[in-house]
Amino acid sequence: EVQLVESGGGLVRPGRSLRLSCSVSGFTFDDYAMHWVRQAPGKGLEWVSGLSWNGGGIAYADSVKGRFTISRDNAKNSLYLQMNSLRPEDTAFYYCVKDMRLTCAYDSEFDYWGQGTLVTVSS
Amino acid sequence: QSVLTQPPSVSAAPGQKVTISCSGSSSNIGNNDVSWYQQFPGTAPKLLIHDKNKRPSGIPDRFSASKSGTSATLGITGLQTGDEADYYCGTWDNSLGVWVFGGGTKVTVL
Repeated sequence: EVQLVESGGGLVRPGRSLRLSCSVSGFTFDDYAMHWVRQAPGKGLEWVSGLSWNGGGIAYADSVKGRFTISRDNAKNSLYLQMNSLRPEDTAFYYCVKDMRLTCAYDSEFDYWGQGTLVTVSS
Repeated sequence: QSVLTQPPSVSAAPGQKVTISCSGSSSNIGNNDVSWYQQFPGTAPKLLIHDKNKRPSGIPDRFSASKSGTSATLGITGLQTGDEADYYCGTWDNSLGVWVFGGGTKVTVL
C-alpha cells in the first residue's frame, strides 16, 4: 500500500523558517519524481515545487522561488521542503505528492497524495 | 487568478450528466496532457483521470475526459450524490516551466 506521511507543520511567526518532511512507503521512491502542493483553507490547489527522481529537474512556483527549497533523500525514502522567510500568505495545508513519471516535467501527473500538514504563519 | 480557468460550480439532478470545462492556452493544455483530481471536503485530492483519458483502479467509467485545442473537459454521467466534490484540472505549462491547476469546480447534485 502506497503511503505518504507529512510532518513538520505548525504555527510560525512571519519571517521565520520551517522544514516539512514526507516519509513514503509502498513504492520504489527513487523511481519517481515528487512534488509539494498546497491549499490555503477554503481555497484551491496550488502547486509549489517538484523534483525528479535523482533530485534534479527542480522547479518552483513564482510565489515561493528564492524562499523555499525542495530536496529528497532516496536512501531514507523521504522528501523535504525547507521554507524560509515565511509569509502569512504561505498559510496552507501542504501535501506531499507522488508523480507517475521519473522526471518533474511536461508529462507529470500525480497519482498519490499524503493527508497534508498544516502550516500557519501568523504573529 | 489561475492559469487554467474552470467554472466555480456546476450542478445537475441525480442520474444526469455534468461537464466541467478547463480552459488554457497553447503553452499548457494545447501541448500537454491534462489530468483531473477529485477532492471531498476535509480530505486530500485524489487522481481521477490521467494519460488523456485513463482512470485509476476504482474510478468508475462514469468519469471521462477529453481535450480539444486549448480546452479540456471532464464529464460525469449518471450523477450520484456521492459525486459531490471539488474537481481540479491540471497540467504542465511549458512557458512558465511549472505545473498549474485550475481554480476548481464544485459539483452539486440537486
